[in-house]
Amino acid sequence: EDQVTQSPEALRLQEGESSSLNCSYTVSGLRGLFWYRQDPGKGPEFLFTLYSAGEEKEKERLKATLTKKESFLHITAPKPEDSATYLCAVRFSGGYNKLIFGAGTRLAVHP
Amino acid sequence: GAVVSQHPSRVICKSGTSVKIECRSLDFQATTMFWYRQFPKQSLMLMATSNEGSKATYEQGVEKDKFLINHASLTLSTLTVTSAHPEDSSFYICSARTSGGADTGELFFGEGSRLTVL
Repeated sequence: EDQVTQSPEALRLQEGESSSLNCSYTVSGLRGLFWYRQDPGKGPEFLFTLYSAGEEKEKERLKATLTKKESFLHITAPKPEDSATYLCAVRFSGGYNKLIFGAGTRLAVHP
Repeated sequence: GAVVSQHPSRVICKSGTSVKIECRSLDFQATTMFWYRQFPKQSLMLMATSNEGSKATYEQGVEKDKFLINHASLTLSTLTVTSAHPEDSSFYICSARTSGGADTGELFFGEGSRLTVL
């Protein structure tokens, strides 16, 4: 069964304390792994798409990496404004552009 | 990134009434749009895939007669919750794909619509 699992469920960091969020997936024929940021009461905001193992993308304090089984979202020296829920989603062959979402990681960065 | 707009952002209605939510792609044409539902502290669950000019494809367990989807143009899809009941209260989010070949293109989301049924 196609599945996306994110860990941890919640993460509390001090400002400047780097960490990583995990997204593991089991799908047949990955056609893209997406990271989104979601603030309370808002729609998801697109961050990255990764297509193949070994691919990396960076944006400000965020860096996303991909292997054949999982993706990591590395947050370097986070700031309080990075506090949000980070969602991982995958698109798979035969899925007709549907995304399967993980449950998300709720990140709280404290000053 | 591409802009997807949803309206209304919040709606409160009485039980038994119908509510329409609009999803517009503002700066691109979207042949396919997706409707999601999200409960508090839970992830997004796909409800249906909306295809311009044809019938929507519903996910298993989603009542197509209750959640009516119309994709009238390349920039507009609507979700109508018919005869709404309190259990339909939720956060509804649409997304649209930018152009590209099969299995490509980025998916951008609207701001979401909070429905509360009294």
